[in-house]
Amino acid sequence: GESVGLHLPTLSVQEGDNSIINCAYSNSASDYFIWYKQESGKGPQFIIDIRSNMDKRQGQRVTVLLNKTVKHLSLQIAATQPGDSAVYFCAENIQGAQKLVFGQGTRLTINP
Amino acid sequence: NAGVTQTPKFRVLKTGQSMTLLCAQDMNHEYMYWYRQDPGMGLRLIHYSVGEGTTAKGEVPDGYNVSRLKKQNFLLGLESAAPSQTSVYFCASSRPTEAFFGQGTRLTVV
Repeated sequence: GESVGLHLPTLSVQEGDNSIINCAYSNSASDYFIWYKQESGKGPQFIIDIRSNMDKRQGQRVTVLLNKTVKHLSLQIAATQPGDSAVYFCAENIQGAQKLVFGQGTRLTINP
Repeated sequence: NAGVTQTPKFRVLKTGQSMTLLCAQDMNHEYMYWYRQDPGMGLRLIHYSVGEGTTAKGEVPDGYNVSRLKKQNFLLGLESAAPSQTSVYFCASSRPTEAFFGQGTRLTVV
């Protein structure tokens, strides 16, 4: 089916620690995955993406890991800052359909 | 560049009324999407378009219609609004990768 789900709805971390947000997907035909950040009252913002022919991609303070064997995606945020507080969504693109499907979201809160 | 612009930003409708939400993008993107977001839930795809003159159903299309007469515009229509359509609506446009989102339209149906 076409579903993207997250393991945890909320995540609290200490400022300065690393954060790991997980996502499971079920459609083997998905060829592209994206992580979005949504702050309160705003639309989702692109963070980082990864194609299905890759297993890791790094950006500035963020890393996305893709495990196609178990259909699992994760977003790692290094040295979490107060500005990282938001809801994080993973999304998958269904190959051929150009249909972007979102997961439920994980709310990340930062403890001082 | 404006990016993706949604109008209106807020609207209150009575049950049974109709309205159209407008999404405009200035990035020459082929793909455009309409999502709804309810409290505690992710974004659910209503309808989408892979090019001018084309539309397709998403996950929750019932009660909505769309049109893509011009490449830069994607309209979402509610023919007869219902309280279950109270939500925040987001439009997005994309190249084959990286969708850009508007700021959302908060719709309340009473």
